[in-house]
Amino acid sequence: EVQLVESGGGLVQPGGSLRLSCAASGFTFSSYDINWVRQAPGKGLEWVSGISGSGVTTFYADSVKGRFTISRDNPKNTVLLQMNSLRGEDTAVYYCAKRADYGDYLSAWGQGTLVTVSS
Amino acid sequence: DIVMTQSPDSLAVSLGERATINCKSSQSVLYSSNKKNYLAWYQQKPGQPPKLLIYWASTRESGVPDRFSGSGSETDFTLTISSLQAEDVAVYYCQQYYTIPYTFGQGTKLEIK
Repeated sequence: EVQLVESGGGLVQPGGSLRLSCAASGFTFSSYDINWVRQAPGKGLEWVSGISGSGVTTFYADSVKGRFTISRDNPKNTVLLQMNSLRGEDTAVYYCAKRADYGDYLSAWGQGTLVTVSS
Repeated sequence: DIVMTQSPDSLAVSLGERATINCKSSQSVLYSSNKKNYLAWYQQKPGQPPKLLIYWASTRESGVPDRFSGSGSETDFTLTISSLQAEDVAVYYCQQYYTIPYTFGQGTKLEIK
């Protein structure tokens, strides 16, 4: 069974940093792109970042480019999202999600981790 | 960026009746080489992550009840629930995966009338 478990969320001051982790199991981890999608309180879904299975290719939304860095450790079946220069508008539940077998739609999601940026 | 616009924002339907949610993309998400529409639908219940329902605009994910169906092409898409059940109360999102940044519709909240 595919499982994705996020961790690392919490309360951070504006301008601060936080590192999120996504631990995966139940599939051949290095074969799949992993994405981060966030959801501000009471709002819709926003794609944030993605990384290829090899880790060579990364993608970012304009809203986080230059502030967030995605990476992966394939031997540890983990994807990381380093978030720097955090702003109030980054407050959200952050989900990691697995690319499907034959397309870039998101076939499995974690339960999410809440990031709150506030003084 | 491709803008995805759903309508309506909210919808109340009686149990057993049909529910229809529309999604419009600001540009075509039909890839000419394989004739596939890069459009997915997700269901999100309160306190839960999104769940994949439909991909390639009309292919139902394994385990999804057959009362859920997707249709449409290029820029106009529809999610239909043929006979609404109580467990279908949720927010529904369309998403294009034709190009990065992947973008979602604003969501449609479905309730029981």
